[in-house]
Amino acid sequence: DAGVIQSPRHEVTEMGQEVTLRCKPISGHDYLFWYRQTMMRGLELLIYFNNNVPIDDSGMPEDRFSAKMPNASFSTLKIQPSEPRDSAVYFCASNLSGANVLTFGAGSRLTVL
Amino acid sequence: GENVEQHPSTLSVQEGDSAVIKCTYSDSASNYFPWYKQELGKGPQLIIDIRSNVGEKKDQRIAVTLNKTAKHFSLHITETQPEDSAVYFCAASTGRQLTFGSGTQLTVLP
Repeated sequence: DAGVIQSPRHEVTEMGQEVTLRCKPISGHDYLFWYRQTMMRGLELLIYFNNNVPIDDSGMPEDRFSAKMPNASFSTLKIQPSEPRDSAVYFCASNLSGANVLTFGAGSRLTVL
Repeated sequence: GENVEQHPSTLSVQEGDSAVIKCTYSDSASNYFPWYKQELGKGPQLIIDIRSNVGEKKDQRIAVTLNKTAKHFSLHITETQPEDSAVYFCAASTGRQLTFGSGTQLTVLP
């Protein structure tokens, strides 16, 4: 398996633009997590899904953020409109029910100017 | 919710020396404690984990100890090598969600 695949790896955009980050979890994994990493706040859990259903989105900072998982092999995290304070590295991770081991993707580095 | 504190934030050691990173957690219901290593430009990768029914676990040069009474756990790396240089994160979980510590930047000096 190629692991958790994220795209794009780098995104530079201007304030007010819509940003969409994409994730393909490991095949067979039924949990998917979105994390945000910043120097100030470290690794923060934004939202996670089980069998494509959002379970806990309490970490989503505000209504500008939304996440979807239309099928078991694809998820998106969308920011609309983006702001400079959204600049961070966004990680997707997945694991298998009953196993705590979390496998992370390589991350998407977002810069909002 | 769970709160995980990690110390130190930076650590420099000479190659061949040992490194110790410590974490404390707040939720006594936490029962799973993984450690992740993050290299530059990559996502965190699990290096070792321990569950609450075990006090110590070793895997070659790395070991983790857990003190449930005191609610703290530690990562020990012996015979450090340059490739051990990275950011290390501890985490704690009561079930599905992991709460991460703030990370330790380990530098192994040649």
